[in-house]
Amino acid sequence: NAGVTQTPKFQVLKTGQSMTLQCAQDMNHNSMYWYRQDPGMGLRLIYYSASEGTTDKGEVPNGYNVSRLNKREFSLRLESAAPSQTSVYFCASSEGAGVNTEAFFGQGTRLTVV
Amino acid sequence: QKEVEQDPGPLSVPEGAIVSLNCTYSNSAFQYFMWYRQYSRKGPELLMYTYSSGNKEDGRFTAQVDKSSKYISLFIRDSQPSDSATYLCAMIGAAGNKLTFGGGTRVLVKP
Repeated sequence: NAGVTQTPKFQVLKTGQSMTLQCAQDMNHNSMYWYRQDPGMGLRLIYYSASEGTTDKGEVPNGYNVSRLNKREFSLRLESAAPSQTSVYFCASSEGAGVNTEAFFGQGTRLTVV
Repeated sequence: QKEVEQDPGPLSVPEGAIVSLNCTYSNSAFQYFMWYRQYSRKGPELLMYTYSSGNKEDGRFTAQVDKSSKYISLFIRDSQPSDSATYLCAMIGAAGNKLTFGGGTRVLVKP
């Protein structure tokens, strides 16, 4: 069982380059999330999608865009990468709100912007 | 001020000791409380999930919630070296989908 799959696992970008992080889940979950994790900062929510067709900003959305392509896929795009976006990015999914809020995480994408 | 505060550690304990972790929060709308465990270079995985104030036990793990004090705790009894990881608390409101995490506490259990 794949669960939540993120690609790529590692990426090095030059300042100003763009890229898209891909995420797919095979659990038929309604909600999907993008977090970034920095030392001492924990997991900070970038964007989330409560259901197919909807997206909302999280705590740190600046410099990012997202697309909920379908129920399975939720992508994160960096239009013009900056060194401050060097981080580990996690995609997660959950069935929904309330008692079904267990979030399942992917393995992460380690992004370095030089 | 962060909505969820958690001591970053590291917390170093000898094997067999009790590990005590906690988080405080400021948003009274949070209704569901979770503890996630994250091993190095892995994604977080759910460890415990609680809703009401009080204690919930699962094997060597006990989660406590005190909504009146906006304080949650996780206790690990008979700690093992395999418990060495970062533990993150997380919480969410009844109606929302924004899972908010604490910063995580790194735990080291020494043999």
